[in-house]
This record gives sequence, C-alpha cells and structure tokens, in this order.
Amino acid sequence: DTEVTQTPKHLVMGMTNKKSLKCEQHMGHRAMYWYKQKAKKPPELMFVYSYEKLSINESVPSRFSPECPNSSLLNLHLHALQPEDSALYLCASSPTGSHEQYFGPGTRLTVT
Amino acid sequence: AQKVTQAQTEISVVEKEDVTLDCVYETRDTTYYLFWYKQPPSGELVFLIRRNSFDEQNEISGRYSWNFQKSTSSFNFTITASQVVDSAVYFCALRSLIQGAQKLVFGQGTRLTINP
Repeated sequence: DTEVTQTPKHLVMGMTNKKSLKCEQHMGHRAMYWYKQKAKKPPELMFVYSYEKLSINESVPSRFSPECPNSSLLNLHLHALQPEDSALYLCASSPTGSHEQYFGPGTRLTVT
Repeated sequence: AQKVTQAQTEISVVEKEDVTLDCVYETRDTTYYLFWYKQPPSGELVFLIRRNSFDEQNEISGRYSWNFQKSTSSFNFTITASQVVDSAVYFCALRSLIQGAQKLVFGQGTRLTINP
C-alpha cells in the first residue's frame, strides 16, 4: 500500500476560522512532510517530521502549526490565515534516508 | 547551494511524437540523489524515478527513459510515442540534507501538453 491520504480535499475558510488538515500513511515511513504549492509554482517545503519530531521548519508563520501525534498521522492546524495562504497543501512521507517521497493528493485551501 | 533548472516552461506536441524534458542541477555534494515527479491536473505528485550520483546507467521504463550525465550535470527525461495521458507538469528535484532530514529542491517544472 503506497498511499498517502489527505483530508479534506477542499477547504474554504474565513480569516478568523480555525481548521485542521489531516494526513495519514500506513507504509511505516518515519519521515513526513508538509508542502505548500501556489499555482504554476513548484512545491515549497514547510515542515519535516522525522521519528515524530519536528526537524525542519522553513520559517513558516506561526498561524500554521504542525503536529505529529504518531508515526502514521500528520496534522496541520490553521488559524487566522490570510488570503495569500490560499494554495494546494501537500503531504508526503518517506522512509528515512535517501528515498523518494510519496505524496498525497493534497488539500486545496481557499481563504476568504 | 543546491539548484535545479528546468529551462522549458511549457512544451506542446502532437500525440505519438517523442519529447525530451531537460533538467540541469547544481550541487557541491559528491553523493546526491535526483528525482522526477509527474503532477497531473488532479494535483498529486507521482514519483517516477530516483537516481543516485554514483550510478550513471541510463534507465528505461516502458515509454519513459532517463539520461543522467554527470559531466554536464543533467538528468533529462524522454517520453517516446507520447500519449494524451502524459499531459501533466513534470518536476525534476535534487535531494538536500538539512539537519539530518532530507529536503527536495524542485525545479520550476515543465508543463507538457500532448495534443490528439
């Protein structure tokens, strides 16, 4: 099973809302990632978790708060977002080391 | 610094034509890994291939082939007898290690359109 799932597929939220994105994998991968992708741009790394510990934060604003409750689950908590945060949010996982990352289908977020 | 350049922003060909997507990379690492991903309109990035720096053999998988040349720092991707389903954005990426965790440095992507 080489699948990464993400929910919801689409999300529309106001600037005062609090919402969460969820990512799940059951491949036994110990590294998980959040990316943000704007239209016609490559994915930009936001966070990396390795063995459930945050190992990379690419200077992401605090209105994005990641959480890794266990080795299969990765959440991204959203609060007080801005319209420019509207994008496709992609989750990925990989075995540790130099392996490829497997991506989920993404959540299309619109901030109104 | 790690950098990936995909100079072709958009390519449009007619079905059954062969097409090559270029990728040039920069790295100071002696050991490194390169990747190609496909992103169809649905949005999910699909892993296509991984190549490490000490394996310069070219790879063929069905209609797909990859040409890795360390001398020119290139890792090009060719689709033979293209099909409409090949239409997608293709990203070349280079692995970078930061604080023990791997980070993918992506090129800007090439949007490939296959016309029937």
